[in-house]
Amino acid sequence: QKEVEQDPGPLSVPEGAIVSLNCTYSNSAFQYFMWYRQYSRKGPELLMYTYSSGNKEDGRFTAQVDKSSKYISLFIRDSQPSDSATYLCAMSDPYGQNFVFGPGTRLSVLP
Amino acid sequence: DTGVSQDPRHKITKRGQNVTFRCDPISEHNRLYWYRQTLGQGPEFLTYFQNEAQLEKSRLLSDRFSAERPKGSFSTLEIQRTEQGDSAMYLCASSRSSMIDSYEQYFGPGTRLTVT
Repeated sequence: QKEVEQDPGPLSVPEGAIVSLNCTYSNSAFQYFMWYRQYSRKGPELLMYTYSSGNKEDGRFTAQVDKSSKYISLFIRDSQPSDSATYLCAMSDPYGQNFVFGPGTRLSVLP
Repeated sequence: DTGVSQDPRHKITKRGQNVTFRCDPISEHNRLYWYRQTLGQGPEFLTYFQNEAQLEKSRLLSDRFSAERPKGSFSTLEIQRTEQGDSAMYLCASSRSSMIDSYEQYFGPGTRLTVT
């Protein structure tokens, strides 16, 4: 079993839809959870990071963490064609030394 | 602040040759990370530095790979005797080292290596 699992997609949605992206993990040492967006042939761009279970909101993005289920989610409201990219979840131990990324979900938002 | 920069952006080399990549982190960041990313996969951790000290290396990092950060600023990643399996995007990221900031890693554009 991989440490971090993520549905690779591709996921296609119409403009304005609510998008739900998810990751599961197996290592209970992970305490920090990040979401990155990566456009084709570019480096990943940090969207959000969270610590502990619960929700964190930033504009159209909401990150949700459920440590008891080892499950994290990213919700995108009012999706736009410019949101079309690969979304990577990442997680880390408390010391910021062991970063593990999921394989990414490719999202297409159709106008 | 110009962000993390990497050079070159693309490198094509023949199998068996040595290659070296450079990363310039954000100036006030004292942590620097190297990752490798292949098509359809997330970045895979290779190694990281805090200032000039290399603190961790992935068990997956072959002896053909070496990284340096001599003055705690820019870093180089060298691959000796390249193999076709080394073809990938090599990403550099930097962050501050405080507990709350170390999770905010900023990535460079990457160096795409093709080994023929």
